[in-house]
Amino acid sequence: IAGITQAPTSQILAAGRRMTLRCTQDMRHNAMYWYRQDLGLGLRLIHYSNTAGTTGKGEVPDGYSVSRANTDDFPLTLASAVPSQTSVYFCASSADGVAGQFFGPGTRLTVL
Amino acid sequence: RKEVEQDPGPFNVPEGATVAFNCTYSNSASQSFFWYRQDCRKEPKLLMSVYSSGNEDGRFTAQLNRASQYISLLIRDSKLSDSATYLCVVWGANAGKSTFGDGTTLTVKP
Repeated sequence: IAGITQAPTSQILAAGRRMTLRCTQDMRHNAMYWYRQDLGLGLRLIHYSNTAGTTGKGEVPDGYSVSRANTDDFPLTLASAVPSQTSVYFCASSADGVAGQFFGPGTRLTVL
Repeated sequence: RKEVEQDPGPFNVPEGATVAFNCTYSNSASQSFFWYRQDCRKEPKLLMSVYSSGNEDGRFTAQLNRASQYISLLIRDSKLSDSATYLCVVWGANAGKSTFGDGTTLTVKP
């Protein structure tokens, strides 16, 4: 693994299904983030984690949950997917705020 | 008012042109500033950090004006490959989270 990876690359999901988006980084960064980006719009923060064992809510947390059991992994779970959660999801990590964030390649999720 | 606001764009310029983007931020407690580049349907990539003294990386120059709370990005001698969306990012004023601008789209034409 080099940098930050996300899985799956894309997914089509039926409404009401549970889905977990995976994110793993090998840079030993303390902080990790989940964003969604809708067509033609900017990035919106869903949840974040400043260090392993802690998480916080971002701008649009409803319908999503996260966990940070260790430094490397930061999964995002949709408990019961709805069509409005159709979006591109980016995971990011940073050593600290001064260094900026590094993004994964994204997961394109379609909820039907 | 949004925490971070960028020029609405789009900017359409010929190759070789010089183009400048501005970005304003509302929270004076913001600590770090960045420009990111995002290509269509790809992840944002860090272009450069922005320092109070200003900094340059090849054809790109970034400036920070804390008194007026804005940052700028200047691209000289534009290339076709510079076509992308440029995101202004501010960090540190909101519980250690970054705030992204909505981006400015640049298209460089032959």
